[in-house]
Amino acid sequence: QKEVEQDPGPLSVPEGAIVSLNCTYSNSAFQYFMWYRQYSRKGPELLMYTYSSGNKEDGRFTAQVDKSSKYISLFIRDSQPSDSATYLCAMSFYGQNFVFGPGTRLSVLP
Amino acid sequence: DTAVSQTPKYLVTQMGNDKSIKCEQNLGHDTMYWYKQDSKKFLKIMFSYNNKELIINETVPNRFSPKSPDKAHLNLHINSLELGDSAVYFCASSLGGENEKLFFGSGTQLSVL
Repeated sequence: QKEVEQDPGPLSVPEGAIVSLNCTYSNSAFQYFMWYRQYSRKGPELLMYTYSSGNKEDGRFTAQVDKSSKYISLFIRDSQPSDSATYLCAMSFYGQNFVFGPGTRLSVLP
Repeated sequence: DTAVSQTPKYLVTQMGNDKSIKCEQNLGHDTMYWYKQDSKKFLKIMFSYNNKELIINETVPNRFSPKSPDKAHLNLHINSLELGDSAVYFCASSLGGENEKLFFGSGTQLSVL
């Protein structure tokens, strides 16, 4: 079993749809959970950062962490064509150990 | 002002050559990293430096040698390039410690012919 699993997509949705992106992981020691957005030919940029379980909301984006199920989600409301990118989940525990998922490629169609 | 900048953006070279990629961050971060992203988009850490000292050295061929002249710079030198080294290499930085948020450069696309 891979340490972090993520459906690579591609995922295509119409503009205005609610998008749900998910990752599962196997290492229960992870405490910090992140979502990065990567546009084509660009570096990943941090979108959401959460510690331990729970929800975090920032504008149209909501991150959820369920440590008991080892499952994290990113929801995008009112999706826009500018949201078209690859979304990478990442997680870590204290001490420089980031692990990234392979990313889900999202296309939001106008 | 670009927070994490790396050069060159593209690097095309022949097998067996030696090349370097440079990285600089102006965020005042203590920790810098090199990541490799393969064709399947997996991001894998290669090295991590904290205040010029190597703290993570993943299983990477010793043809790859990082150098950190100061905490704002982390360069990557690659000797005897091989076809399998073709990938996108990202530099990143973070404040370090428990609250770790990575800030990435825009990447260097390396193509070995």
